Amino acid sequence: GENVEQHPSTLSVQEGDSAVIKCTYSDSASNYFPWYKQELGKRPQLIIDIRSNVGEKKDQRIAVTLNKTAKHFSLHITETQPEDSAVYFCAASINTGNQFYFGTGTSLTVIP
Amino acid sequence: GAVVSQHPSWVICKSGTSVKIECRSLDFQATTMFWYRQFPKQSLMLMATSNEGSKATYEQGVEKDKFLINHASLTLSTLTVTSAHPEDSSFYICSARGTSGVTDTQYFGPGTRLTVL
Repeated sequence: GENVEQHPSTLSVQEGDSAVIKCTYSDSASNYFPWYKQELGKRPQLIIDIRSNVGEKKDQRIAVTLNKTAKHFSLHITETQPEDSAVYFCAASINTGNQFYFGTGTSLTVIP
Repeated sequence: GAVVSQHPSWVICKSGTSVKIECRSLDFQATTMFWYRQFPKQSLMLMATSNEGSKATYEQGVEKDKFLINHASLTLSTLTVTSAHPEDSSFYICSARGTSGVTDTQYFGPGTRLTVL
């Protein structure tokens, strides 16, 4: 089955700096890669996703890049703000309707 | 759009009792719903996948007789933890997936924190 690895497990940045979280996957058939943000005690919320026919996608301060050859994808947050502090999970799936394989999460702290 | 609700948000029960958790898609029809379990500071562990009108598919190691899942309609799935024990205490989260457009991915409910005494 699919194996998704996520790094780093914890990340601290100064407010205004950029944060990068990286994930790798093992199954070359995976073609859908969502990213979720989870604040303490709350639900995971979809913040951005990318499909395998696209190499990069951007939404304001958030961007995701995908390298299918290397089987890795990354989340980039620019101009970080304290409210970006949360746990971020990447996931990989074969199509959107199938099981999502989640990474182990990255706890991001943005220091004011 | 794409709102998923879950009820109750928290529940405390005695060991040996059963607890039912509801997951509803409020503004879209969910052909597939997923049930996860999450331990503190850990990732989401998929328990089972359910499609409307059919039996749930359980992940390896998840007891189907203990965690009963019913997906009776396109907007409702329920998870019943039968004969709950303290080790079943956890955060249970459902997700729902629609069939097209913005709902064609998984949206999560707010979770249910179960504490078994």
